Amino acid sequence: GEDVEQSLFLSVREGDSSVINCTYTDSSSTYLYWYKQEPGAGLQLLTYIFSNMDMKQDQRLTVLLNKKDKHLSLRIADTQTGDSAIYFCAEMDSSYKLIFGSGTRLLVRP
Amino acid sequence: DGGITQSPKYLFRKEGQNVTLSCEQNLNHDAMYWYRQDPGQGLRLIYYSQIVNDFQKGDIAEGYSVSREKKESFPLTVTSAQKNPTAFYLCASNSIYRENEKLFFGSGTQLSVL
Repeated sequence: GEDVEQSLFLSVREGDSSVINCTYTDSSSTYLYWYKQEPGAGLQLLTYIFSNMDMKQDQRLTVLLNKKDKHLSLRIADTQTGDSAIYFCAEMDSSYKLIFGSGTRLLVRP
Repeated sequence: DGGITQSPKYLFRKEGQNVTLSCEQNLNHDAMYWYRQDPGQGLRLIYYSQIVNDFQKGDIAEGYSVSREKKESFPLTVTSAQKNPTAFYLCASNSIYRENEKLFFGSGTQLSVL
């Protein structure tokens, strides 16, 4: 079945760039998403990319998609302490359900 | 404002007790979902519904039940058959008949066993 994998933890210094990586298995996914979860809260949609795109930029966020390798990344420029959270990658399967990765916990050090 | 409302924020269950988590949305979304999140882990799909009066099992449906009598509401019952119910439960919804059916989430319910 479909599977989405992420590294569990990333630590960066404030002001540096963060890059969170994700791999997925379903080559028919039309949209791929990045969600952010702060402690004790629901998931907030950060950005998404259509599968026929290679890159999407939205302010400090850049999403790169390598469809051949089924690899998705999220780059956060000028990372701030408020960016500390868990980031989930997700792909949409053929029945419109989202398959989530296990999440990457981002810690931003002052 | 449109959104998804989950209640309560915190819920405690006694042994052998059934409890029901509420999820209401006013986004006119067709589909609703329940996910379970355990500490340090990702989201696992419990049940989902894409139309009123119909729902499907997700990956971990055992010990749970749902109903979808109204488009706006998708309550989840955690039954006594669920032996390890302590988790953070997230409800979500989207419109599956429009392109790019982004999923919107409620703020979650933390369920603990007394």
